[in-house]
Amino acid sequence: DTAVSQTPKYLVTQMGNDKSIKCEQNLGHDTMYWYKQDSKKFLKIMFSYNNKELIINETVPNRFSPKSPDKAHLNLHINSLELGDSAVYFCASSPKIGRASYEQYFGPGTRLTVT
Amino acid sequence: QQQVKQSPQSLIVQKGGISIINCAYENTAFDYFPWYQQFPGKGPALLIAIRPDVSEKKEGRFTISFNKSAKQFSLHIMDSQPGDSATYFCAATDDQTGANNLFFGTGTRLTVIP
Repeated sequence: DTAVSQTPKYLVTQMGNDKSIKCEQNLGHDTMYWYKQDSKKFLKIMFSYNNKELIINETVPNRFSPKSPDKAHLNLHINSLELGDSAVYFCASSPKIGRASYEQYFGPGTRLTVT
Repeated sequence: QQQVKQSPQSLIVQKGGISIINCAYENTAFDYFPWYQQFPGKGPALLIAIRPDVSEKKEGRFTISFNKSAKQFSLHIMDSQPGDSATYFCAATDDQTGANNLFFGTGTRLTVIP
């Protein structure tokens, strides 16, 4: 009964490839996010999605594209992978937008290594 | 630029001691300040959070102290235990963007020595 799950947990690929990371939440939350954690453990928001609509894209290269087939899923597609894309990517979800609830629940992360 | 500044970068505390991690922010629109705990190989997990209308919040051994005028907040871990060894992140957010994006501090790696 994992709340926020991600697949795969590890992803090793070569430069120039296209890859996807999947995220699913079974919490019934309205908003989902993607964060990137670099080698220094710095966490930074990439995307926010609410009800299948993109809300925020924080200066992320357009090689990265979030896709939400439904409210419970937010997948991350990455085209033309670069060495600098190596990081841990976290999916998160929160109940609703606005002051009512800010709590975000994170998935276990996907460690992407680009060689 | 770094919206939330966190210190220290690493902290070593004896078992039973008090761990203190400090954070500061500039954006006065921030109105929610959570702390996240992250164990190696795991995602961050919400530990405790505070809103600016109170100066302190306590949950078990964990206390947040909040100073609105100084735009600072801190996490105190009382009676620190080896199981508390993890990386701690402070964060802040507001509802202006409509998405409650969390702006994280740079993290503090806490080691509690038995």
